[in-house]
Amino acid sequence: KAGVTQTPRYLIKTRGQQVTLSCSPISGHRSVSWYQQTPGQGLQFLFEYFSETQRNKGNFPGRFSGRQFSNSRSEMNVSTLELGDSALYLCASSQGQGGNYGYTFGSGTRLTVV
Amino acid sequence: AQRVTQPEKLLSVFKGAPVELKCNYSYSGSPELFWYVQYSRQRLQLLLRHISRESIKGFTADLNKGETSFHLKKPFAQEEDSAMYYCALLQYQAGTALIFGKGTTLSVSS
Repeated sequence: KAGVTQTPRYLIKTRGQQVTLSCSPISGHRSVSWYQQTPGQGLQFLFEYFSETQRNKGNFPGRFSGRQFSNSRSEMNVSTLELGDSALYLCASSQGQGGNYGYTFGSGTRLTVV
Repeated sequence: AQRVTQPEKLLSVFKGAPVELKCNYSYSGSPELFWYVQYSRQRLQLLLRHISRESIKGFTADLNKGETSFHLKKPFAQEEDSAMYYCALLQYQAGTALIFGKGTTLSVSS
């Protein structure tokens, strides 16, 4: 069974640009969440989606947005990139509507903003 | 505020020694807690959930509501246990979200 797939693995963008990251969950998993990992702040929750609906959102500015498609694949978008957005962005999928079964994480997309 | 605290950034032990990775939480309700592990150059993966009360790779963790702790223990450390360990609390707020501690690096040497 394929794991959680995130593309691309690496991205380098310039300040002010926008970026879209993609995540394909494990087959049959309908819940997808996104996390930002940085050395200073650690792992921080961005969004949670279930059946194409955003169910929860973390404490991030409106420049961070996301969506989920009918096949459960998800994308997140960051507009007007800032240097501080440089991070590893992790996608995780879960059975059911929440993470009580535990999340399966992807390898992440490493975003560098220059 | 809901919070997870892992007081040690680094824990170094010798092979065969007991290991205890500390985790304390703050949560107004019945907590659901997890330990995740990240081995070098691998993805973050679930190690164990407190609900299932299981032992994975020799690790166990007991929820102590009185002390608001969920420490991870292993009686005899192995070199392959060297990794970053994260304690996480599942928060219910409309949907769900994991609140992670800052992590503890476990280094096991021979």
